Amino acid sequence: NAGVTQTPKFQVLKTGQSMTLQCAQDMNHNSMYWYRQDPGMGLRLIYYSASEGTTDKGEVPNGYNVSRLNKREFSLRLESAAPSQTSVYFCASRERYSYNEQFFGPGTRLTVL
Amino acid sequence: RKEVEQDPGPFNVPEGATVAFNCTYSNSASQSFFWYRQDCRKEPKLLMSVYSSGNEDGRFTAQLNRASQYISLLIRDSKLSDSATYLCVVNTAVAAGNKLTFGGGTRVLVKP
Repeated sequence: NAGVTQTPKFQVLKTGQSMTLQCAQDMNHNSMYWYRQDPGMGLRLIYYSASEGTTDKGEVPNGYNVSRLNKREFSLRLESAAPSQTSVYFCASRERYSYNEQFFGPGTRLTVL
Repeated sequence: RKEVEQDPGPFNVPEGATVAFNCTYSNSASQSFFWYRQDCRKEPKLLMSVYSSGNEDGRFTAQLNRASQYISLLIRDSKLSDSATYLCVVNTAVAAGNKLTFGGGTRVLVKP
C-alpha cells in the first residue's frame, strides 16, 4: 500500500517549456487534489477532482490544466511554464463527503528558470 | 482578510515546556477542523482532528471555539522531535463537495 505517489520528485524547466506532474493513489479515494506551496505560505489549491470524471478550479488555477485519468490517477499539466510557477507541488486524496484526513504525496519540487 | 490565519512564529520552546497557539477562521459555516504537521521539505501529515468538545491525544490538546471562530493546539512536555510547522486546516461544505483551506502554518522550534 504505497498511499499517494508523485513523479517526478524534482524538475527544472526553462520558461515556456511544458510538463505533466503525475499523481496516483491506491486507497480507492474518490477525491483528489493538487496544491502548491510557496515559502511562508500555506498550501493553495490549484485544482481538485471530487470524483472520477469531474474536475474543478481551486484558488490558483491559472496556467494549469488537470486530467482525472481514472479513479487512481490525477495529473497536473503546465502548458507554458513561468518563473512564478516555481514551487513545491503536492497531490492529495481523501474520501469524498467525509471528515477523514487528507493524504499527501511526497511533493514535486519544480524550478522554472 | 485570509480565510484561515495563523501566527507564523517561530515559537522557540525549551524542551519540556508547554506551547500553545491559535488559528482563526473567517467562515462561520465551516464544519470540521484539523491540525496537520509538516516537517521541513516533507508532505503534511494529519496530527489530529478537532472536535467541538475539545480532544486530547497524548501530549497534544486541540480545542475549538465556534463563537470566536478559532481553534487552538497545545503541546505539553515539548520534545525536540516536536519541532515542525503546524498547519491549521478548515473544512467547509460547498456545492462540489468539501473545501479544505489551509493556514500558512505556525513554526515551532524546540530547543534543548
